[in-house]
Formats: sequence, C-alpha cells, structure tokens
Amino acid sequence: GQNIDQPTEMTATEGAIVQINCTYQTSGFNGLFWYQQHAGEAPTFLSYNVLDGLEEKGRFSSFLSRSKGYSYLLLKELQMKDSASYLCAVKDSGYSTLTFGKGTMLLVSP
Amino acid sequence: GAVVSQHPSWVICKSGTSVKIECRSLDFQATTMFWYRQFPKQSLMLMATSNEGSKATYEQGVEKDKFLINHASLTLSTLTVTSAHPEDSSFYICSARGLQDEAFFGQGTRLTVV
Repeated sequence: GQNIDQPTEMTATEGAIVQINCTYQTSGFNGLFWYQQHAGEAPTFLSYNVLDGLEEKGRFSSFLSRSKGYSYLLLKELQMKDSASYLCAVKDSGYSTLTFGKGTMLLVSP
Repeated sequence: GAVVSQHPSWVICKSGTSVKIECRSLDFQATTMFWYRQFPKQSLMLMATSNEGSKATYEQGVEKDKFLINHASLTLSTLTVTSAHPEDSSFYICSARGLQDEAFFGQGTRLTVV
C-alpha cells in the first residue's frame, strides 16, 4: 500500500519563502511529483524527482531523499497567486498510476 | 506540454439520470487515460484506468456498472455516471500520461446531482 503525508495547511507572507514537506511510505518508488491546484480547477504539473537531490525551476524547487522517503517543495518570492493547494504524488515502481497525498493548502497574505 | 480537454466543465442533473463526461487528448495520442474523483477538501482518488481498445481497470470499491468507461480511440475516453444520485456529486478529473509519466489533467467536471 501507499501512505503519503503532507501538512494540511500553511500560511506565509507575500515575498517570503515557504517549504512544503511530503513524506511517503510505498511498496515501490519510481518518481515523485508535485502539482498545484487552485480551488475548483484541475491540478497543474510543477515538478518531477526520481533521483536524490534538488531540482530548481524558477521560483519553485523540489528536493528528494529516497532513503528517507522525503521530499519538499520550496517556493521563493511568494506571490498572492501562489495561494493554492499543493499535491505530492508518488508513482509506483512499474506502474503508471499516481497516488496523491491530501494536499497542503497554502495561503499567502499581503 | 500536452493538452487534455475535458467536457463539460460543470453539469447539474436530476437523480436517476445518466451523465457522460468526455476527455480528449488534443495534441497527442493517449493509449491510457485515468479518471479521478475529488470530494471537497479531499485528495484525488483514482477511480479507473482507461485503456484504448480494451476494458477499463477499476480501483477497488468503484462500481464498474455505475461508472462506465469507454476508450474507443487514441484521443477520446468517456466516463458515464449511470443512474446518478446526490452522493455521486463530486469533481471528476481525467488525465493522460506524459513522457515522464507525469499526469496532464483535463479541466475537470463539477457534477451536481439534485
């Protein structure tokens, strides 16, 4: 089975940096994904990690440690539009389906 | 990135009627598509995997006779909610697989059964 844990809610201030953590316990592992989902909309792809280390993409970075079953999404220079739910998802080894965490609701305030 | 189009974006139907939701891959061929359901403040839950030219694979607890999936072509998968009831009201989202196995999602369909 799969178990993916993320904090339920986080708050931060415009212009700040926030780190959203994700821990997972899975029977297999073949990649971890981060998605952004605004209320009432479908998720959009942010990042993909399959090897240990940090992947940087503009204001967003994602880190993975496979030995610790741990990932984080780092958002820099926060903007109001970054207020959304951030979903961590793990891909089973050998399968194409993704298992999603419950998401972290991030609220960015002025 | 890949584009997946889902229609309709919202629908209201009477209890006991059926609703069809379409999911199209616009600029690529998708042999596999996925259907998810999301209740308010809940995570995406995989309902079924839709395979072009063969039967869909349903997740445990999902009634295949109630949620009919047809994947007749490489660019279109449909989900039909048969004899819908208020408890079926939810946000239904389809996705197709990208080159890195990431999911490209359709816009989602908000179903309300009254």
